[in-house]
Amino acid sequence: GENVGLHLPTLSVQEGDNSIINCAYSNSASDYFIWYKQESGKGPQFIIDIRSNMDKRQGQRVTVLLNKTVKHLSLQIAATQPGDSAVYFCAESVSGTYKYIFGTGTRLKVLA
Amino acid sequence: GAVVSQHPSRVICKSGTSVKIECRSLDFQATTMFWYRQFPKQSLMLMATSNEGSKATYEQGVEKDKFLINHASLTLSTLTVTSAHPEDSSFYICSASAGMGEKLFFGSGTQLSVL
Repeated sequence: GENVGLHLPTLSVQEGDNSIINCAYSNSASDYFIWYKQESGKGPQFIIDIRSNMDKRQGQRVTVLLNKTVKHLSLQIAATQPGDSAVYFCAESVSGTYKYIFGTGTRLKVLA
Repeated sequence: GAVVSQHPSRVICKSGTSVKIECRSLDFQATTMFWYRQFPKQSLMLMATSNEGSKATYEQGVEKDKFLINHASLTLSTLTVTSAHPEDSSFYICSASAGMGEKLFFGSGTQLSVL
């Protein structure tokens, strides 16, 4: 993976609303993508992944959308809850390599 | 799902001492593991790639003699911070994958505080 050491943007969402977190990836050859959730003082937690042969994948309350044309990835969280407050970041990878590139991350704040 | 175990979760040590952090893949074999450093409110910074049975590959600017990595088995990699100083205080995280281009799982992180 490569390093991105920037300060994090913040998204504030009202509890119960849907959240959309975006990620622009850099390598057109990337064909595997992962979203992670990181709570304060903890390691990143795997949320959902998607391969480039798909445009959309759904999990429990989460949906990942992939737009290869513009190299854009998004994570949608339905009915956002206080427990969703965390930093979310994406990762891109190329099959056949151990190279993972991480996005800068977005801090999600859920307002009561 | 796959789990990566990292410990200790928190360590406080005196300046000049060495600290070892362990990273284990619990239900899969990992020929490659990664070590990161993370500063508050910032993203992950890759320090090195740990390769089972061979030398680790360090990122530019990371001192290999300062941060010793040993990947002696397919389920264990260790990071030793040698002669730790206060500037080494940070959150260290490991990750592992069962294979190339596969899911990457992270350990729970180690908060190192050097007094």
